[in-house]
Amino acid sequence: AQSVTQPDIHITVSEGASLELRCNYSYGATPYLFWYVQSPGQGLQLLLKYFSGDTLVQGIKGFEAEFKRSQSSFNLRKPSVHWSDAAEYFCAVSTGGGNKLTFGTGTQLKVEL
Amino acid sequence: SAVISQKPSRDICQRGTSLTIQCQVDSQVTMMFWYRQQPGQSLTLIATANQGSEATYESGFVIDKFPISRPNLTFSTLTVSNLSPEDSSIYLCSVEGRDRGLAGVNEQFFGPGTRLTVL
Repeated sequence: AQSVTQPDIHITVSEGASLELRCNYSYGATPYLFWYVQSPGQGLQLLLKYFSGDTLVQGIKGFEAEFKRSQSSFNLRKPSVHWSDAAEYFCAVSTGGGNKLTFGTGTQLKVEL
Repeated sequence: SAVISQKPSRDICQRGTSLTIQCQVDSQVTMMFWYRQQPGQSLTLIATANQGSEATYESGFVIDKFPISRPNLTFSTLTVSNLSPEDSSIYLCSVEGRDRGLAGVNEQFFGPGTRLTVL
């Protein structure tokens, strides 16, 4: 069965600093990977997705993620964090058929001004 | 992307009662999904609802506790029955995107969620 691990429960960065959120997956076949963001009181918004092809994918709000098959990772990055980026970030993997999503436990991002 | 609304946005219920959550989509979709997010936890899929067929439940979730209706391609309801404090969670519905990606996989778009508190 597929699984997703987000090793960092909480991360605090200063505004303007760079950000990297870690995500490791376990899945026997080709993974389909997603990053979602959940702001307080909001639903989940898709930041970016990886299906195949270029391993560096660009998303909304200046985020990017790199798929590394050898490391089973799909880490999310942003060069310069804004205070409005404070939220919870979820990595997810799709099993393919039926579009079932398996989510990681999430990383809570705090941005210090 | 799809615009998804949920009703109610939040509710406080007494144990032993039931709550029905509605999910409305602005376009026709084949598959709708219901997730639960317990306090401080990640999202867990409850069931997948296809129009015209019985919902498919994930391990640990049963139809008697979480009956689902899917009367048409834009609407679904999830009922949480015989409520207990352990059911206090955020319940989210989601739909797949209109344009399927490679290998038939697509991203999901989520509603704003329904925050349920059971006393």
